[in-house]
Amino acid sequence: DAKTTQPPSMDCAEGRAANLPCNHSTISGNEYVYWYRQIHSQGPQYIIHGLKNNETNEMASLIITEDRKSSTLILPHATLRDTAVYYCIVSKTGANSKLTFGKGITLSVRP
Amino acid sequence: EAGVAQSPRYKIIEKRQSVAFWCNPISGHATLYWYQQILGQGPKLLIQFQNNGVVDDSQLPKDRFSAERLKGVDSTLKIQPAKLEDSAVYLCASSFTQQSEAFFGQGTRLTVV
Repeated sequence: DAKTTQPPSMDCAEGRAANLPCNHSTISGNEYVYWYRQIHSQGPQYIIHGLKNNETNEMASLIITEDRKSSTLILPHATLRDTAVYYCIVSKTGANSKLTFGKGITLSVRP
Repeated sequence: EAGVAQSPRYKIIEKRQSVAFWCNPISGHATLYWYQQILGQGPKLLIQFQNNGVVDDSQLPKDRFSAERLKGVDSTLKIQPAKLEDSAVYLCASSFTQQSEAFFGQGTRLTVV
């Protein structure tokens, strides 16, 4: 599976949009981009995933560049409860696909 | 819908002792994962099951760790003998298929002293 690169941390103000970047320059055509987050002392929680089109759900939006070498997770109106470690993961489809977590990015939402 | 259940939540043992963790995945989920998360790091995949067969156990330290998933439902992860460096949170997750989103339990925090 392709590796991902994320900055170690970022912060944003409550109520503002949080834009979390991820680089995955070696992604291949059959690999999806997944985002999970982990709030302190809890297990990771699925947020969203996509292949090449932008995706949106009730939690977030995922913007994938046209060359698929990078993506951005957008939390449109960050709250204090969004403070967590966010993991960007690239994973193949098909049999033997697996989720390999990196170090993630720590998002701190300030009041 | 009930989530992934794990027990115990916390465990403290002495080095060289053995310990077992239990996981009950979401009903109907064919894929089950065990992860190890050391403080300050992301979760590391130890073993992945598809029903009761092993898909990937390349990062499982097989000299001391073992896992099974009898009847393709519940799973146990065992460590024998434990080492100090095994202190970590052990996370179980399940998904409907290998491609669908994974749901994680709250984990078992193991401290080896």
